[in-house]
Amino acid sequence: GAGVSQSPRYKVAKRGQDVALRCDPISGHVSLFWYQQALGQGPEFLTYFQNEAQLDKSGLPSDRFFAERPEGSVSTLKIQRTQQEDSAVYLCASSSTGGQLNYGYTFGSGTRLTVV
Amino acid sequence: GDSVTQMEGPVTLSEEAFLTINCTYTATGYPSLFWYVQYPGEGLQLLLKATKADDKGSNKGFEATYRKETTSFHLEKGSVQVSDSAVYFCALSERTGGFKTIFGAGTRLFVKA
Repeated sequence: GAGVSQSPRYKVAKRGQDVALRCDPISGHVSLFWYQQALGQGPEFLTYFQNEAQLDKSGLPSDRFFAERPEGSVSTLKIQRTQQEDSAVYLCASSSTGGQLNYGYTFGSGTRLTVV
Repeated sequence: GDSVTQMEGPVTLSEEAFLTINCTYTATGYPSLFWYVQYPGEGLQLLLKATKADDKGSNKGFEATYRKETTSFHLEKGSVQVSDSAVYFCALSERTGGFKTIFGAGTRLFVKA
């Protein structure tokens, strides 16, 4: 597609519920990133995929967070047993370059998760 | 660890005023530097970038120069428009040691007609 597409745009979850957030990157983009953006803050890194390989998951805040990109295109971020502190905007970004090169990302519009 | 510090907002300017948003960084290596912009209701967009010292990134009338000696990457525009109202994020990415980009907290800009 023309841009990075994320769904759903908004998600309200009850505390303890599992959620799955989807990211459809730009076709052919090698690199895919997930970021978490709390209200009034800058995005914080969660995890990175190069094609289907998850090369860095150091930013995932707990083992309740899990991400996958099984065919090297669409990615899903799953949060199990959601807590109120998980409320944030979850951003997906993709880039045509891989490895250590970073010429900037294309971001999706994000999924706003509210845990009640 | 690496970090980015940018001036707190909001910044309120009149149309055609000169804009500066300060950004300084701490990095162990030799990072690439970026400015991203987030318009109301939209995702972050890359505004400009610089990959080495003394490089000047520019786009849409905005510019920023990579100053290694002062570890700074201040964003400037000579004459702002109402349509420039947005949140601006300074960011860095190291060449080694991982794939993440470190973002500042963002500076909200309001431009009045």
